[in-house]
Amino acid sequence: GESVGLHLPTLSVQEGDNSIINCAYSNSASDYFIWYKQESGKGPQFIIDIRSNMDKRQGQRVTVLLNKTVKHLSLQIAATQPGDSAVYFCAENPDGGSQGNLIFGKGTKLSVKP
Amino acid sequence: DARVTQTPRHKVTEMGQEVTMRCQPILGHNTVFWYRQTMMQGLELLAYFRNRAPLDDSGMPKDRFSAEMPDATLATLKIQPSEPRDSAVYFCASGLNRGRPYFGPGTRLTVL
Repeated sequence: GESVGLHLPTLSVQEGDNSIINCAYSNSASDYFIWYKQESGKGPQFIIDIRSNMDKRQGQRVTVLLNKTVKHLSLQIAATQPGDSAVYFCAENPDGGSQGNLIFGKGTKLSVKP
Repeated sequence: DARVTQTPRHKVTEMGQEVTMRCQPILGHNTVFWYRQTMMQGLELLAYFRNRAPLDDSGMPKDRFSAEMPDATLATLKIQPSEPRDSAVYFCASGLNRGRPYFGPGTRLTVL
């Protein structure tokens, strides 16, 4: 079946550096994508989302890039801080957005070294 | 600050016992999701509702799991009988129509 997958299960960066977390998706009908951050013992927290009619969206210190040609999604975190340490999940809406349910990738653990 | 609430936060039970997890979605949200998270499988969608009607429960083991929305402010997930393989963190999330889901803090279930 189709699923969302991640290229890197763990990522370690130095405080102040930029982080890039990647995600591959396989369902060409997906039209909505979300990045979530999950800290230990907590539920996933929304970071940023993007619809398929866009290829880039920026938030505060975060940018999501969508490449529909190669079905690739990335999350860029600028000036990474210790508080950014968490597991990051990408999620896609697999059925063209008709229902709103999401399929999640396995997650990437981001560790920020002080 | 509107949040999804879940009870209990932790549950330890013995195999064969019934487990009921409860969720209060954000007021005004009409879509409720139940996800299960394990180290091996990650976040899996179990079921979801819109306007209290089940839209998809294909991710849920039908023989032991059941999900309901008695009213717009309460969603329940029951496991009967529970098994050790059900040990996981169960998340409820709510959203408005096709909008992004907001997750609760989860219920950590341990079945001995």
